Amino acid sequence: GQQVMQIPQYQHVQEGEDFTTYCNSSTTLSNIQWYKQRPGGHPVFLIQLVKSGEVKKQKRLTFQFGEAKKNSSLHITATQTTDVGTYFCAGLKGYGGSQGNLIFGKGTKLSVKP
Amino acid sequence: KAGVTQTPRYLIKTRGQQVTLSCSPISGHRSVSWYQQTPGQGLQFLFEYFSETQRNKGNFPGRFSGRQFSNSRSEMNVSTLELGDSALYLCASSLQGLQETQYFGPGTRLLVL
Repeated sequence: GQQVMQIPQYQHVQEGEDFTTYCNSSTTLSNIQWYKQRPGGHPVFLIQLVKSGEVKKQKRLTFQFGEAKKNSSLHITATQTTDVGTYFCAGLKGYGGSQGNLIFGKGTKLSVKP
Repeated sequence: KAGVTQTPRYLIKTRGQQVTLSCSPISGHRSVSWYQQTPGQGLQFLFEYFSETQRNKGNFPGRFSGRQFSNSRSEMNVSTLELGDSALYLCASSLQGLQETQYFGPGTRLLVL
């Protein structure tokens, strides 16, 4: 079936270390969205990437969309304890027809040790 | 603006029963989508409604259905509940659809006994 694979499943870092999570799809995506979910909370939108090879930055967060629009990554520089949570990518496939589907990766749970 | 609201927040049902969950989108948003979140399967897209019509649908059985009203409020119904339906059900709204930012509600946690 349609899948977006996300790795790693868990990441434990020391505060100040960098963190990266990767998403990969077997088919081309219309766009990819990234969300963060804090423990006990709901997903909160971070960013959307649409163009092939697109790179966007938000302070310490850098998001990339692959040239083939099949993979994406989120990199956090110098993690802080406020970065704790689960990061999800969501790939949009087939939009425009009735089979459009927003497919979420399983998420990467980030813990940060002070 | 007020955020997305979902009712009820918690629900306990028994196998075989049916359940209806409600979602009120952000004012002005016409698209409402529904998701199931479980520890094992993660977040899975159920369906999207826009202007009272189901526009996109994920891979869930027909026991899962929904509808949208003229004020964009949406309901999701699950019939003949199974133990595996225990999950957090999230709805999200956006102005025009899945290609935009999804604003999630707090979710309804459903436990099926």
